[in-house]
Amino acid sequence: RKEVEQDPGPFNVPEGATVAFNCTYSNSASQSFFWYRQDCRKEPKLLMSVYSSGNEDGRFTAQLNRASQYISLLIRDSKLSDSATYLCVVSHGGNNNDMRFGAGTRLTVKP
Amino acid sequence: EAQVTQNPRYLITVTGKKLTVTCSQNMNHEYMSWYRQDPGLGLRQIYYSMNVEVTDKGDVPEGYKVSRKEKRNFPLILESPSPNQTSLYFCASSLGLAVFTDTQYFGPGTRLTVL
Repeated sequence: RKEVEQDPGPFNVPEGATVAFNCTYSNSASQSFFWYRQDCRKEPKLLMSVYSSGNEDGRFTAQLNRASQYISLLIRDSKLSDSATYLCVVSHGGNNNDMRFGAGTRLTVKP
Repeated sequence: EAQVTQNPRYLITVTGKKLTVTCSQNMNHEYMSWYRQDPGLGLRQIYYSMNVEVTDKGDVPEGYKVSRKEKRNFPLILESPSPNQTSLYFCASSLGLAVFTDTQYFGPGTRLTVL
């Protein structure tokens, strides 16, 4: 079983739609959680950290459910520029050398 | 401009022919690492380095070597490449080790094909 699992998609949504991605992780001792964005053939870039209380950054909302070992990312009012692959990332010990990456969920926003 | 650079960006080679992928950062970062990305598997760490002359294995180190003789450079060496090392490789660097305060910045990637 993979340590971090994501629905690979693709998710094809119209502009303006709300879309949600889910991610589950297997190590209950995991401490830190993130969402990264990766454009086609480009490097991953940090989108946002995920805090226990949930957090929002503009149109993006991240939630963490430790009991279910589940992380989510909600994108409201989707833009064409949101088209990318979204990577769920979990760190066991809070260190850069123990990060575990999901395989990613691909999103295409269409006009 | 603050950045992580990798060279080459694309490489097609044959089994057994030694190659080196260079990685350089201009941010005076102490921590550097190498990942490979394969379809359906996500990024997996190959090696990392906490500082000059300090390197350690990640999750998939077999078939790879690294060195950290200078702070800015962290080359990845494939002594005898094999087809199962065909992958997309990313170098990353961060100021330190803590995930919340020391964001990793990734290089643009090197797409390697071993025939």
